[in-house]
Amino acid sequence: EAEVAQSPRYKITEKSQAVAFWCDPISGHATLYWYRQILGQGPELLVQFQDESVVDDSQLPKDRFSAERLKGVDSTLKIQPAELGDSAMYLCASSLARGGADTQYFGPGTRLTVL
Amino acid sequence: AQSVTQLGSHVSVSEGALVLLRCNYSSSVPPYLFWYVQYPNQGLQLLLKYTSAATLVKGINGFEAEFKKSETSFHLTKPSAHMSDAAEYFCAVRGDTGRRALTFGSGTRLQVQP
Repeated sequence: EAEVAQSPRYKITEKSQAVAFWCDPISGHATLYWYRQILGQGPELLVQFQDESVVDDSQLPKDRFSAERLKGVDSTLKIQPAELGDSAMYLCASSLARGGADTQYFGPGTRLTVL
Repeated sequence: AQSVTQLGSHVSVSEGALVLLRCNYSSSVPPYLFWYVQYPNQGLQLLLKYTSAATLVKGINGFEAEFKKSETSFHLTKPSAHMSDAAEYFCAVRGDTGRRALTFGSGTRLQVQP
Protein backbone atom coordinates (compact mmCIF):
# COMPACT_ATOMS: atom_id res chain seq x y z
CA GLU A 1 0.00 0.00 0.00
CA ALA A 2 1.34 3.42 -0.97
CA GLU A 3 2.30 5.71 1.90
CA VAL A 4 3.31 9.29 2.52
CA ALA A 5 7.01 9.45 3.36
CA GLN A 6 8.56 12.04 5.68
CA SER A 7 12.07 12.67 6.88
CA PRO A 8 13.65 13.03 9.29
CA ARG A 9 11.41 11.33 11.86
CA TYR A 10 13.04 13.24 14.71
CA LYS A 11 14.97 16.49 14.78
CA ILE A 12 16.60 18.25 17.69
CA THR A 13 17.92 21.73 17.10
CA GLU A 14 18.93 24.79 19.02
CA LYS A 15 17.05 28.05 19.01
CA SER A 16 17.92 30.31 16.05
CA GLN A 17 19.10 27.43 13.87
CA ALA A 18 17.52 26.51 10.54
CA VAL A 19 15.65 23.24 10.05
CA ALA A 20 14.04 21.58 7.04
CA PHE A 21 11.54 18.79 6.68
CA TRP A 22 10.84 16.73 3.59
CA CYS A 23 7.65 15.04 2.41
CA ASP A 24 6.98 12.69 -0.51
CA PRO A 25 3.23 12.24 -1.07
CA ILE A 26 1.46 9.24 -2.51
CA SER A 27 2.08 9.05 -6.24
CA GLY A 28 -0.58 10.88 -8.22
CA HIS A 29 -1.89 12.92 -5.32
CA ALA A 30 -2.29 16.50 -6.47
CA THR A 31 -2.95 18.06 -3.08
CA LEU A 32 -0.36 18.21 -0.32
CA TYR A 33 -0.82 19.59 3.19
CA TRP A 34 1.55 20.49 6.00
CA TYR A 35 0.04 20.44 9.48
CA ARG A 36 1.58 21.30 12.85
CA GLN A 37 0.50 19.37 15.92
CA ILE A 38 1.43 20.78 19.30
CA LEU A 39 1.54 18.19 22.08
CA GLY A 40 -1.93 17.52 23.42
CA GLN A 41 -3.72 19.27 20.55
CA GLY A 42 -5.14 18.41 17.16
CA PRO A 43 -3.24 19.16 13.95
CA GLU A 44 -3.57 22.64 12.46
CA LEU A 45 -2.98 23.50 8.82
CA LEU A 46 0.16 25.43 7.96
CA VAL A 47 0.04 25.31 4.16
CA GLN A 48 -1.85 23.57 1.36
CA PHE A 49 -0.59 22.96 -2.18
CA GLN A 50 -2.52 22.09 -5.28
CA ASP A 51 0.15 20.69 -7.59
CA GLU A 52 2.98 23.27 -7.28
CA SER A 53 0.74 26.18 -6.28
CA VAL A 54 0.00 27.36 -2.75
CA VAL A 55 -3.76 27.54 -2.23
CA ASP A 56 -3.82 28.30 1.50
CA ASP A 57 -0.97 29.58 3.65
CA SER A 58 -3.03 31.89 5.85
CA GLN A 59 -1.78 30.20 9.05
CA LEU A 60 1.87 29.94 8.02
CA PRO A 61 4.16 32.27 10.03
CA LYS A 62 5.79 33.66 6.93
CA ASP A 63 8.47 35.61 8.77
CA ARG A 64 10.20 32.34 9.65
CA PHE A 65 8.44 29.52 7.80
CA SER A 66 8.62 28.73 4.09
CA ALA A 67 7.30 25.85 2.02
CA GLU A 68 7.79 24.79 -1.55
CA ARG A 69 6.66 22.09 -3.93
CA LEU A 70 8.64 22.97 -7.00
CA LYS A 71 7.67 20.17 -9.39
CA GLY A 72 4.31 19.43 -7.85
CA VAL A 73 5.56 16.21 -6.28
CA ASP A 74 7.63 16.26 -3.08
CA SER A 75 7.73 19.22 -0.73
CA THR A 76 10.03 20.91 1.78
CA LEU A 77 9.04 22.91 4.85
CA LYS A 78 11.70 25.17 6.34
CA ILE A 79 11.95 27.10 9.57
CA GLN A 80 14.56 29.81 9.97
CA PRO A 81 15.27 30.72 12.68
CA ALA A 82 13.70 28.10 14.91
CA GLU A 83 12.12 29.26 18.18
CA LEU A 84 11.28 27.34 21.35
CA GLY A 85 7.58 27.50 20.51
CA ASP A 86 8.15 25.63 17.26
CA SER A 87 8.61 22.36 19.13
CA ALA A 88 5.84 20.15 17.73
CA MET A 89 5.03 17.29 15.38
CA TYR A 90 5.00 18.33 11.73
CA LEU A 91 2.68 16.19 9.67
CA CYS A 92 2.44 15.94 5.91
CA ALA A 93 -0.70 14.64 4.20
CA SER A 94 -1.78 14.14 0.62
CA SER A 95 -5.03 13.56 -1.24
CA LEU A 96 -6.26 13.08 -4.78
CA ALA A 97 -8.54 16.11 -4.47
CA ARG A 98 -10.67 15.06 -7.41
CA GLY A 99 -13.77 16.22 -5.63
CA GLY A 100 -16.06 14.76 -3.04
CA ALA A 101 -14.90 13.62 0.36
CA ASP A 102 -11.35 12.86 -0.68
CA THR A 103 -9.37 11.17 2.08
CA GLN A 104 -6.20 12.76 3.38
CA TYR A 105 -3.42 10.24 3.99
CA PHE A 106 -0.89 11.20 6.62
CA GLY A 107 2.79 10.48 6.89
CA PRO A 108 4.49 9.41 10.15
CA GLY A 109 5.47 12.99 10.96
CA THR A 110 8.65 14.76 12.04
CA ARG A 111 8.95 15.50 15.73
CA LEU A 112 10.89 18.72 16.23
CA THR A 113 12.45 19.67 19.54
CA VAL A 114 13.92 23.15 19.84
CA LEU A 115 16.35 23.65 22.76
CA ALA B 1 -16.30 28.80 9.45
CA GLN B 2 -16.28 25.26 10.70
CA SER B 3 -15.20 23.76 14.00
CA VAL B 4 -15.20 20.53 15.96
CA THR B 5 -15.63 19.96 19.69
CA GLN B 6 -14.58 16.70 21.27
CA LEU B 7 -16.09 16.24 24.72
CA GLY B 8 -13.69 14.56 27.12
CA SER B 9 -9.95 14.78 26.62
CA HIS B 10 -9.50 11.40 28.35
CA VAL B 11 -11.79 8.38 28.31
CA SER B 12 -11.04 5.17 30.20
CA VAL B 13 -12.90 1.89 29.63
CA SER B 14 -12.41 -1.72 30.61
CA GLU B 15 -11.44 -4.28 28.02
CA GLY B 16 -14.66 -5.63 26.47
CA ALA B 17 -16.71 -2.56 27.39
CA LEU B 18 -18.46 -0.16 25.02
CA VAL B 19 -16.36 2.68 23.62
CA LEU B 20 -18.10 6.03 23.06
CA LEU B 21 -16.11 9.06 21.93
CA ARG B 22 -18.09 12.25 21.42
CA CYS B 23 -17.78 14.77 18.59
CA ASN B 24 -19.94 17.79 17.81
CA TYR B 25 -19.38 19.93 14.74
CA SER B 26 -20.24 23.34 13.46
CA SER B 27 -20.36 24.01 9.74
CA SER B 28 -22.15 26.51 7.53
CA VAL B 29 -22.26 24.02 4.65
CA PRO B 30 -23.05 20.29 4.54
CA PRO B 31 -20.01 18.77 6.17
CA TYR B 32 -17.73 15.90 5.49
CA LEU B 33 -16.75 14.35 8.82
CA PHE B 34 -13.81 12.12 9.66
CA TRP B 35 -12.44 10.13 12.57
CA TYR B 36 -8.70 9.50 12.70
CA VAL B 37 -6.63 7.48 15.19
CA GLN B 38 -3.07 8.31 16.22
CA TYR B 39 -0.70 5.97 18.04
CA PRO B 40 2.28 7.44 19.94
CA ASN B 41 4.82 9.17 17.71
CA GLN B 42 2.97 8.18 14.55
CA GLY B 43 0.87 9.89 11.92
CA LEU B 44 -2.91 9.78 11.70
CA GLN B 45 -4.81 6.82 10.27
CA LEU B 46 -8.33 7.17 8.91
CA LEU B 47 -10.94 5.15 10.82
CA LEU B 48 -14.01 6.25 8.89
CA LYS B 49 -15.65 9.16 7.11
CA TYR B 50 -19.14 10.55 6.56
CA THR B 51 -19.92 11.62 3.00
CA SER B 52 -23.76 11.92 3.15
CA ALA B 53 -24.28 8.50 1.52
CA ALA B 54 -25.45 6.94 4.80
CA THR B 55 -25.86 8.30 8.32
CA LEU B 56 -24.36 5.19 9.95
CA VAL B 57 -20.78 4.75 8.85
CA LYS B 58 -18.73 1.62 9.49
CA GLY B 59 -14.98 1.86 9.65
CA ILE B 60 -11.93 -0.22 10.34
CA ASN B 61 -11.18 -2.18 13.51
CA GLY B 62 -14.88 -2.51 14.40
CA PHE B 63 -15.54 1.20 14.85
CA GLU B 64 -18.63 2.98 13.59
CA ALA B 65 -20.11 6.47 13.82
CA GLU B 66 -23.57 7.91 13.34
CA PHE B 67 -24.20 11.31 11.75
CA LYS B 68 -27.05 13.17 13.48
CA LYS B 69 -27.79 16.46 11.78
CA SER B 70 -30.35 17.56 14.39
CA GLU B 71 -27.74 17.17 17.13
CA THR B 72 -24.76 18.24 14.95
CA SER B 73 -22.99 15.16 16.25
CA PHE B 74 -20.79 12.40 14.87
CA HIS B 75 -19.97 10.18 17.84
CA LEU B 76 -17.60 7.22 17.47
CA THR B 77 -18.50 3.85 19.00
CA LYS B 78 -17.16 0.33 19.29
CA PRO B 79 -19.14 -2.42 21.03
CA SER B 80 -16.17 -4.09 22.73
CA ALA B 81 -12.85 -2.41 23.50
CA HIS B 82 -9.53 -4.16 22.93
CA MET B 83 -6.23 -3.27 24.55
CA SER B 84 -4.94 -2.36 21.09
CA ASP B 85 -7.56 0.42 20.83
CA ALA B 86 -5.62 2.55 23.32
CA ALA B 87 -4.63 5.64 21.32
CA GLU B 88 -5.56 9.27 20.59
CA TYR B 89 -8.68 9.81 18.49
CA PHE B 90 -9.39 12.92 16.46
CA CYS B 91 -12.63 14.08 14.90
CA ALA B 92 -12.30 16.40 11.89
CA VAL B 93 -14.60 18.37 9.61
CA ARG B 94 -14.29 19.75 6.10
CA GLY B 95 -16.85 21.82 4.27
CA ASP B 96 -18.02 20.99 0.78
CA THR B 97 -16.63 24.14 -0.77
CA GLY B 98 -13.66 26.40 -0.30
CA ARG B 99 -10.97 25.29 2.10
CA ARG B 100 -10.26 21.60 1.62
CA ALA B 101 -8.01 21.21 4.64
CA LEU B 102 -9.37 19.48 7.70
CA THR B 103 -10.30 21.25 10.91
CA PHE B 104 -9.51 18.93 13.82
CA GLY B 105 -10.83 18.68 17.34
CA SER B 106 -8.44 18.65 20.26
CA GLY B 107 -8.50 14.87 20.53
CA THR B 108 -9.61 12.24 23.04
CA ARG B 109 -7.12 9.87 24.59
CA LEU B 110 -8.65 6.41 25.02
CA GLN B 111 -7.26 4.23 27.78
CA VAL B 112 -8.27 0.56 27.94
CA GLN B 113 -7.96 -1.15 31.31
CA PRO B 114 -7.38 -4.92 31.51
